Amino acid sequence: DVKVTQSSRYLVKRTGEKVFLECVQDMDHENMFWYRQDPGLGLRLIYFSYDVKMKEKGDIPEGYSVSREKKERFSLILESASTNQTSMYLCASSWEGDYGYTFGSGTRLTVV
Amino acid sequence: KQEVTQIPAALSVPEGENLVLNCSFTDSAIYNLQWFRQDPGKGLTSLLLIQSSQREQTSGRLNASLDKSSGRSTLYIAASQPGDSATYLCAASISNFGNEKLTFGTGTRLTIIP
Repeated sequence: DVKVTQSSRYLVKRTGEKVFLECVQDMDHENMFWYRQDPGLGLRLIYFSYDVKMKEKGDIPEGYSVSREKKERFSLILESASTNQTSMYLCASSWEGDYGYTFGSGTRLTVV
Repeated sequence: KQEVTQIPAALSVPEGENLVLNCSFTDSAIYNLQWFRQDPGKGLTSLLLIQSSQREQTSGRLNASLDKSSGRSTLYIAASQPGDSATYLCAASISNFGNEKLTFGTGTRLTIIP
């Protein structure tokens, strides 16, 4: 089975800190995605990547950046964390085909 | 822009009953539709994936159907169990280049009453 691993389940950071959320997948998937999930708003796409070094903005990229230096790893960066970035962050990967998405277990980030 | 709706937002049914969860989408040019389950505080677990050329998929007690012309998908759960309690999300993909982007519904929170 494909495995998508997010390095932290829970994080607490201070306002203004630079925050790195890491995601690693083990099945050579081309596509990787970062979502945030908030009550009443559902899942919203932040950034996605189709290949190493490539990145595309999703629906809510403001305040975030990403890095994909290796195919298996996709990092989400909060340049200067703010309290409105307190959320559940979910990473996903998919193969360029018909096999659907596989999600990680999520990182619950609290910015204080 | 694709919009995905799931109604109702919450549903409670007695254990053992069969039930149907609904998902509707506005753009019928979908590539595939996927159903997920999410337990509180956890990530999403994929349940079923239906390609645009398919009408349904089955896995155990779960059956998902897709009707592109009406913009609807349903997830049927047979003989419900307390362990089925979770939030169920559907998501539609609208790209032909693999699963480029999914648009999610906001989910139906299902409670199975023992």
